[in-house]
Amino acid sequence: AQKVTQAQTEISVVEKEDVTLDCVYETRDTTYYLFWYKQPPSGELVFLIRRNSFDEQNEISGRYSWNFQKSTSSFNFTITASQVVDSAVYFCALSAYSGGSNYKLTFGKGTLLTVNP
Amino acid sequence: DTEVTQTPKHLVMGMTNKKSLKCEQHMGHRAMYWYKQKAKKPPELMFVYSYEKLSINESVPSRFSPECPNSSLLNLHLHALQPEDSALYLCASSQGDRGSEAFFGQGTRLTVV
Repeated sequence: AQKVTQAQTEISVVEKEDVTLDCVYETRDTTYYLFWYKQPPSGELVFLIRRNSFDEQNEISGRYSWNFQKSTSSFNFTITASQVVDSAVYFCALSAYSGGSNYKLTFGKGTLLTVNP
Repeated sequence: DTEVTQTPKHLVMGMTNKKSLKCEQHMGHRAMYWYKQKAKKPPELMFVYSYEKLSINESVPSRFSPECPNSSLLNLHLHALQPEDSALYLCASSQGDRGSEAFFGQGTRLTVV
């Protein structure tokens, strides 16, 4: 079974601060993918980033960066110079084999990020 | 076109009503999904269709009945719902393999009275 834990329920920062969202996962699959999604108040989940289990290279994309450490089963996400528009719920998710020919996306409970002006 | 369109955006229905939620994508994705999301909770998977066939049913009550008329459309038929079924219902689509990202619609906010 898969499990994703986001220990931070809510985070509040002031604009231009950097903020890191934590994610820890559990899976018995040796091949899996990790994702971060953003859900603004409008409701739609927006795909942000993806990492596969074989690639631990950390990257930066604009104001977003992520730190994937297989040894600690963590996939943390950092927003640099946060903006008010970054306010949303952020979900970490794990895609792994679920039987037959199916794969399931398991979400963490989400972290509500509020960026204050 | 990277859009998943859901209709209606809002729905209020009585416990004896029959209604349907609709979802459409034109990205050529082979997998389509229904999720249920309660307030301040993560999305919970309900159904997965792969190549227009139901491949995952997460033990959802029979008052929810999915249908996939073709590769672009996904419906969720609702009948005899309970007030606790009130939630945001999200549709998503993807290429269907383990590493492909899912594209989500804006959801239907359902209230059962």
